[in-house]
Amino acid sequence: RKEVEQDPGPFNVPEGATVAFNCTYSNSASQSFFWYRQDCRKEPKLLMSVYSSGNEDGRFTAQLNRASQYISLLIRDSKLSDSATYLCVVHDYGQNFVFGPGTRLSVLP
Amino acid sequence: NAGVTQTPKFQVLKTGQSMTLQCAQDMNHNSMYWYRQDPGMGLRLIYYSASEGTTDKGEVPNGYNVSRLNKREFSLRLESAAPSQTSVYFCASSGTGNEKLFFGSGTQLSVL
Repeated sequence: RKEVEQDPGPFNVPEGATVAFNCTYSNSASQSFFWYRQDCRKEPKLLMSVYSSGNEDGRFTAQLNRASQYISLLIRDSKLSDSATYLCVVHDYGQNFVFGPGTRLSVLP
Repeated sequence: NAGVTQTPKFQVLKTGQSMTLQCAQDMNHNSMYWYRQDPGMGLRLIYYSASEGTTDKGEVPNGYNVSRLNKREFSLRLESAAPSQTSVYFCASSGTGNEKLFFGSGTQLSVL
């Protein structure tokens, strides 16, 4: 079983749609959780950290369920510019960041 | 505001050649990392350095060596390149208490 698993994708959605990404992790000792965004042929960039209480940044909402070892990212009113690959990242005590394989999103006009 | 600077951006090698990928950060971060990214595999950790003078193996260290030259610089060396090392390589750094990873722009390496 992979340490971090994500929806395989790709997701093709029309502009304005709401899309949700799911992620599960296997290491119950994981301490920090993130969503990164990666554009084609570019480096990953931090989209948002994920907190136990859930957090929101504009159109983006992240949720964490430690009991189920599950992380989600919700994008509302999707824009063409949201097209990218979304990476779920988990950080453990060993200072290792473990990346999921990513889910590609294409927002269509 | 440079952040993480990684060179070269592109490189083509023949099997058996050697090369060093350079990485430097100007954010005074303690931790630095080298990842490789292959299609469908996500980013996999090659080596990391938690502080100046220390290095540790990651998930896929075979065929690579690293040097943490000082706090700023962390280089990755391929001593004898193999086609299986064709990949995109990313250097990254993070600071103590600030766990966010900052990435360099990547190196696309092809080994023929």
